[in-house]
Amino acid sequence: DAGITQSPRHKVTETGTPVTLRCHQTENHRYMYWYRQDPGHGLRLIHYSYGVKDTDKGEVSDGYSVSRSKTEDFLLTLESATSSQTSVYFCAISERQGLNYGYTFGSGTRLTVV
Amino acid sequence: TQLLEQSPQFLSIQEGENLTVYCNSSSVFSSLQWYRQEPGEGPVLLVTVVTGGEVKKLKRLTFQFGDARKDSSLHITAAQPGDTGLYLCAGGGVAGGTSYGKLTFGQGTILTVHP
Repeated sequence: DAGITQSPRHKVTETGTPVTLRCHQTENHRYMYWYRQDPGHGLRLIHYSYGVKDTDKGEVSDGYSVSRSKTEDFLLTLESATSSQTSVYFCAISERQGLNYGYTFGSGTRLTVV
Repeated sequence: TQLLEQSPQFLSIQEGENLTVYCNSSSVFSSLQWYRQEPGEGPVLLVTVVTGGEVKKLKRLTFQFGDARKDSSLHITAAQPGDTGLYLCAGGGVAGGTSYGKLTFGQGTILTVHP
């Protein structure tokens, strides 16, 4: 109901294959983020976008790329999946930067690399 | 890298007990947010605090931002089984910086409230 959906919800892939995760929003929010969540590490920022075609790296960006060709879609690509990229991936959106605007998260994609 | 340390990592209590979760950093944050996450779902925002010393209450939950804006606490009064979940603190923006709304998350506190 929050207007953000992630697909797929679950995926198993083989080492070395490319994988693309999709985040779709219907809120027309400018800011979008990709995080990964691993036990003991909380949520770590992979990439973020502050507008169409405007993206930048987060703290754990190695092995990942992103694209944002339109406001509503933010794609995360694992160029050549490795076992260390097995994780739960969350997309988040934010209406604007600033002090009082929190994130709305998607329900996550559980990715397993075998 | 700005780090947020949460404690405790695990908390298992009986219904009706009170508890406090702490979130500490050596960095100053412009804002501090608390999220709650249930299994299989994304985190959901509970509160944002932006002023040093600020206290916000949400029913049985009390949130406090430290005077120096480096730490925060979440206190739950009379915990209920429905409070069970992962609680995450997140710091927003180094004071004076341009952060594009990026948040730095703590590693989380897993709370289990037994009936």
